[in-house]
Amino acid sequence: AQSVTQPDIHITVSEGASLELRCNYSYGATPYLFWYVQSPGQGLQLLLKYFSGDTLVQGIKGFEAEFKRSQSSFNLRKPSVHWSDAAEYFCAVGARAAGNKLTFGGGTRVLVKP
Amino acid sequence: DAGVIQSPRHEVTEMGQEVTLRCKPISGHDYLFWYRQTMMRGLELLIYFNNNVPIDDSGMPEDRFSAKMPNASFSTLKIQPSEPRDSAVYFCASSHRDWSSYEQYFGPGTRLTVT
Repeated sequence: AQSVTQPDIHITVSEGASLELRCNYSYGATPYLFWYVQSPGQGLQLLLKYFSGDTLVQGIKGFEAEFKRSQSSFNLRKPSVHWSDAAEYFCAVGARAAGNKLTFGGGTRVLVKP
Repeated sequence: DAGVIQSPRHEVTEMGQEVTLRCKPISGHDYLFWYRQTMMRGLELLIYFNNNVPIDDSGMPEDRFSAKMPNASFSTLKIQPSEPRDSAVYFCASSHRDWSSYEQYFGPGTRLTVT
């Protein structure tokens, strides 16, 4: 069975600074990887996804993530954070063998300081 | 498309009452998922359907919870009787059967408060 770990529960970053959120997964084969964002009081919105090919994927809102098979990681990055990026971020893993079921990490809450 | 629609958005009920949460998935999506989100336990998958058939209900907490999908455009999650520990935000999500489109589209959620 697949699993996802997001080691950081909270991260505080200054507006304009860079942001990196960590995600480690466990799965025997090639996983499908996702990052979702949840703004307060809202549902989850897909930021980006990785299925195959280029290991650096671009998403919406200026986010990118890099798949590193050797490290079982799929870290999310943004070069310059805006106050509107304050939200909770979830990494998720799926696998073809598991149908369309996704396994979510525990989430990382990002606070943005002015 | 209007996206995944959930109703009600907020529900306040007393312990022991029956609660029914509703979900309309995105048209053409074959999979439907029910999640529960709490501070303590995070985001938990309760049950999911494929072509209206329940595939995995191992996340349903106990017999008080039941879910149905009578047709491709409607699903319900019922709690009977409700308890204060059921207070949470319940999300419905849907996705397409195409494995290359695995992303799940989430509804806005139903915030349930059981007093």
